[in-house]
Amino acid sequence: NAGVTQTPKFRILKIGQSMTLQCTQDMNHNYMYWYRQDPGMGLKLIYYSVGAGITDKGEVPNGYNVSRSTTEDFPLRLELAAPSQTSVYFCASSYGRFGNEQFFGPGTRLTVL
Amino acid sequence: LAKTTQPISMDSYEGQEVNITCSHNNIATNDYITWYQQFPSQGPRFIIQGYKTKVTNEVASLFIPADRKSSTLSLPRVSLSDTAVYYCLVGDGSNRDDKIIFGKGTRLHILP
Repeated sequence: NAGVTQTPKFRILKIGQSMTLQCTQDMNHNYMYWYRQDPGMGLKLIYYSVGAGITDKGEVPNGYNVSRSTTEDFPLRLELAAPSQTSVYFCASSYGRFGNEQFFGPGTRLTVL
Repeated sequence: LAKTTQPISMDSYEGQEVNITCSHNNIATNDYITWYQQFPSQGPRFIIQGYKTKVTNEVASLFIPADRKSSTLSLPRVSLSDTAVYYCLVGDGSNRDDKIIFGKGTRLHILP
């Protein structure tokens, strides 16, 4: 199994541009998550999904959108990128609820200039 | 939502046992305690999870006292490769509003 994969690994955006961060898992997990991690800080939950067609906001959802049309995929959309969105983005998945072991992808390092 | 408090950083030497304590005074009855490890430029990795008393796996041990208001992650005979950030999380997640939060974690630096 590949686990959780994310693309791209790195990206530089200009202010106001948009992009989609891709996340795919092949473990048939119901729960999927998007986190961001600023330098020297912990992870902050952006959005999560408990199954296909169901998404919900986390701690810091402003400026982002998500969709979950399949069990495997959970893309994160950035609209009108801002320098404050410069961060490392991690996607994760778990079989059950939050308390279960979360499997993380390798991350996407995004810089907005 | 149970809040956790853990030391910002710790130093230790190769071959030593390292204990990292996490406080979670308002832990709920259904909450589990979970620890993750994160290396630079990587996503966190699950280490261990427990509910009460002691849990041990091939990587670490987790000690939880009877009142469950704190927990201690124990790493036996650490090596340089154990230098990482360690996160303590508390929650059950059985409710959709119960989001488990990663704090700043504890930066463990192992010295030769």
